[in-house]
Amino acid sequence: GDSVTQMEGPVTLSEEAFLTINCTYTATGYPSLFWYVQYPGEGLQLLLKATKADDKGSNKGFEATYRKETTSFHLEKGSVQVSDSAVYFCALTDNYGQNFVFGPGTRLSVLP
Amino acid sequence: EPEVTQTPSHQVTQMGQEVILRCVPISNHLYFYWYRQILGQKVEFLVSFYNNEISEKSEIFDDQFSVERPDGSNFTLKIRSTKLEDSAMYFCASIRTLEHTQYFGPGTRLTVL
Repeated sequence: GDSVTQMEGPVTLSEEAFLTINCTYTATGYPSLFWYVQYPGEGLQLLLKATKADDKGSNKGFEATYRKETTSFHLEKGSVQVSDSAVYFCALTDNYGQNFVFGPGTRLSVLP
Repeated sequence: EPEVTQTPSHQVTQMGQEVILRCVPISNHLYFYWYRQILGQKVEFLVSFYNNEISEKSEIFDDQFSVERPDGSNFTLKIRSTKLEDSAMYFCASIRTLEHTQYFGPGTRLTVL
């Protein structure tokens, strides 16, 4: 079945550091790829998405590019802030937009 | 911006009791979903619902679980006889069409004692 793998956390960075959270996937067909963020005590919020190969999703300074050749969708941000501290989930959905498959999540802590 | 809402935000219940978790999806959405997240673990798909019937369900969604859209706005998840291992955050999600962007509610934290 489809699956998503993310880098192990937690990730601890200083403010203004560069962030990369790796995500790779296994899927049949042509999935859409997503990053969701969960701030402490809150629900899941869509951060960005890409629906086809070579698409780049971006939002709030975060970016991720859909790489079909490496089956990856790594999340990057050039300069993190304390307010970016959260758990980040990589996810995919199949061609039919039915159930999402989530990665295990990566906890990011940004220190001032 | 429209959003998915869920009530209650936190539900505490005794083992063996029935609980109903409520969701109000975005009004023009047609596909509805429930997920759960056991504390510190990954988000897991439970069930999807379209046109007043279940379209897909996971192994977790056994006979103790049911979903219903009792009226034009609510989408409910019922657990008939709760177990300790049902303690989790339950998320509702909806989409208008199969355009792949699911909007999630804030979740209901269920604690089974």
